Amino acid sequence: GNSVTQMEGPVTLSEEAFLTINCTYTATGYPSLFWYVQYPGEGLQLLLKATKADDKGSNKGFEATYRKETTSFHLEKGSVQVSDSAVYFCALSDQGFQKLVFGTGTRLLVSP
Amino acid sequence: DVKVTQSSRYLVKRTGEKVFLECVQDMDHENMFWYRQDPGLGLRLIYFSYDVKMKEKGDIPEGYSVSREKKERFSLILESASTNQTSMYLCASSGPRELFFGEGSRLTVL
Repeated sequence: GNSVTQMEGPVTLSEEAFLTINCTYTATGYPSLFWYVQYPGEGLQLLLKATKADDKGSNKGFEATYRKETTSFHLEKGSVQVSDSAVYFCALSDQGFQKLVFGTGTRLLVSP
Repeated sequence: DVKVTQSSRYLVKRTGEKVFLECVQDMDHENMFWYRQDPGLGLRLIYFSYDVKMKEKGDIPEGYSVSREKKERFSLILESASTNQTSMYLCASSGPRELFFGEGSRLTVL
């Protein structure tokens, strides 16, 4: 079946550092890929998505590129802020926004 | 502004109690979902519904049931709560462009 593997956290960075959170997936066919973010005390919010190979999703300075050859969708940001501290979830779906499969989540802690 | 509202943010129940978790969405979405979130395990799908009075099992349905009597409301039911059901429960609804989550209900079963 479909599955998502994320790097374990927490990831601890200083403000303005470069961020990479790794995500790889296993799926039959051509799924859509997503990154969701969960700020403390809140539900999950869609951060960005990509629906086909080589697509790049971007939002709020975050980017991720759908790499079919390496089955990866790594999240990057050039300069993190304290306000980016949150848990980040990689997810996939082969049915649009129905029945997403989530990774285990990666906690990001950014210090001033 | 779109809204998925979960009725209780925090609940404490005793083993064997019947527990209802309520979720309401105001976006006229057909699809609604219940996930549980546990550290190190991420989100796991319990049940979902594509329409009123329709339900399908997700990956971990054991010990849970659901009810969808109206389009906007999707309830998760724990018939007899157990300590291993202590968790964060997240409701979601989806349209063609996005999956929207509620803020979650943290359930503790003593």
